[in-house]
Amino acid sequence: KFMLTQPHSVSGSPGETVTISCTRSTGNFGNFSVHWYQQRPGSVPMVVMFFDDQRPSGVPDRFSGSVDSSASSASLIISGLKTEDEADYYCQSYDASSWVFGGGTHLTVL
Amino acid sequence: EVQLVESGGGLVKPGGSLRLSCAASGFNLDEYTINWVRQAPGKGLEWVSSISSRSSYIFYADSVKGRFTISRDNAESSVFLQMNSLRAEDTARYYCVREEDFSAYGDSWGPGILVTVSS
Repeated sequence: KFMLTQPHSVSGSPGETVTISCTRSTGNFGNFSVHWYQQRPGSVPMVVMFFDDQRPSGVPDRFSGSVDSSASSASLIISGLKTEDEADYYCQSYDASSWVFGGGTHLTVL
Repeated sequence: EVQLVESGGGLVKPGGSLRLSCAASGFNLDEYTINWVRQAPGKGLEWVSSISSRSSYIFYADSVKGRFTISRDNAESSVFLQMNSLRAEDTARYYCVREEDFSAYGDSWGPGILVTVSS
């Protein structure tokens, strides 16, 4: 089984850009896409990025996703930070038989 | 409107059993894989199990293999998670999550149901 590693927390001020990273221990995102979920306090997780860089309808274009050239690391980039972006963010990938979530990153908007 | 609603949670003693249900509406359940994902209090997300649209593919996390059984009744628009030999570490909110077959991500989540395992 592989693991996904995320920073425990990140922070930024309104209007700034933050990047949340996600590193896969084995395998690569080239073969297995990465997806990202936002979970606001007391709420249900919702997908904010799928298939590495695809944004669901309703998610603002301030959110973007990328995978690096080695395909072992992925990023969720949030630009023009707003207070409503304060939440926990989880990356998720998969192998042939299971999903794996990263440990989650708490985003604080200062 | 897509809706997933979990039921069947509650307080159970260690070693006991519970059966969770997920009622789906607003879409054709028989076109989607359903996953169960749990979240212990104050902790992160953990994938538990999945069942494909026609029940052809069923998978479990190692932490629940041999104790939990997932099943579905498409005619009744429901998915079930039978949980046996429950342990304190199974205490969590359990979410029913819709996945378009083989997309490997959850595009719709239920509100979740709390399961507490305690003596």
